[in-house]
This record gives sequence, structure tokens and C-alpha cells, in this order.
Amino acid sequence: DIQMTQSPSSLSAPVGDRVSITCRASQGIRSDLGWYQQKPGKAPKRLIYAASSLQSGVPSRFSGSGSGTEFTLTISSLQPEDFATYYCLQHNTYPWTFGPGTKVEIK
Amino acid sequence: EVQLVESGGGLAQPGRSLRLSCAASGFIFGDYAMHWVRQAPGKGLEWVSGITWNSGSIGYADSVKGRFTISRDNAKNSLYLQMNTLRVEDTAFYFCAKLGGTSPNTDYWGQGILVTVSS
Repeated sequence: DIQMTQSPSSLSAPVGDRVSITCRASQGIRSDLGWYQQKPGKAPKRLIYAASSLQSGVPSRFSGSGSGTEFTLTISSLQPEDFATYYCLQHNTYPWTFGPGTKVEIK
Repeated sequence: EVQLVESGGGLAQPGRSLRLSCAASGFIFGDYAMHWVRQAPGKGLEWVSGITWNSGSIGYADSVKGRFTISRDNAKNSLYLQMNTLRVEDTAFYFCAKLGGTSPNTDYWGQGILVTVSS
């Protein structure tokens, strides 16, 4: 099975900062990765698909990069509404696996 | 409007069974793969199981393999999860989801239903 790791597990940053979250796969998954945002009490929302494509309707401050085993989600200028938990999801091979999550908090 | 509505959750004792259902509307259910994802209270997301549009390919997380069975009835626009030999660690909110995978199409998620396994 493919294991996903994320770093950092949490981060604290002020509004306006550029932040990056990394996701690593235990084996190559091409670009079969999505990034999700989840706010408390809500279902997750996909931000990025195919590792680097922006989901329709998602602000352009979100971007994704990477392929193979290392992936990055970047928020170019953190906004108040971006404080949430972020997860990566690999869908290259069953079983699909989520990363453990990164909680982004206000500094 | 796409809707995914889960039902069948609740309290079960360890070792017992529950069957979750998900009623889909607002899209051509039979055209898409569907998934179950769970989240224990205060914890991260865990993909549980997925099934292709024609049930030709099915996958399970290691944590539920051999105990849970996913199925679908395209004529009834419904997705199911038969959960047998429940364990305390299966306690979670269970989400029915149409996940986009490689497609640019928007994901859709149900509101989630709580399954509590306790004696």
C-alpha cells in the first residue's frame, strides 16, 4: 500500500504570508494526487487535482506542484478564510490514501 | 443540485453489523465511481472503500478489508457499505463521496453519518 506523509503537521502564520505544505508518497504516484481543505464541521473541499490543476472556483492564491513522490501545496497570500486543515489524497492505486493532515492556524 | 444523503448509522456493539446507505441525486449516478470516507471525531480523513461505475473494480483500506463490503445499485441511485464485525476503532463519521480523481469535475460529499461502536 502507498503511505502518504505530510509536513508540517501544523503551522501558524499571519494573514498575508506565503505558506507551503509538502506531501510525500512512499512510492511513485505520477500526478495522481489531490489537495483538500476541511473546515470544522464541514465536508472536505478539493482545491487541486492532478497535483497542479486548480479546481474550478478555487482562488488562484492556491497552487500545487510536484509529481512522482513529492508534492507541494502553496498558498501565496494567506487569507482569514484559509485557516483550516489540509489533506493530500493519492488516487493512483487502491487503496487510496489520505495524508495525515496539516492544520493551518492564525498567528 | 447534487445531493448525497447517508443513512443507517447509529450505535452498534463490537462484533455486530451495520449497513450504511447513500441516496444520490442530481447527477447520472451510474456513470461515476463512488467512495466511502470516514473521520473519527477530532481525527484525520481515512479513505475506506471505492467502487467503479459498473462495480468492476473495488478497493478497501487495509483496516476494513474482509469486514466491510461496498456495493451499489445504479437502478436505485444508491451506494451501500455493509460493515460486519465492527470494532471500537470503526467509530467515525462516514461520508459518501463522488471523488473526482483525475477528473476536473467537482467532488461531492454527503453530510456524513455517525457510526458509534461501543459496548
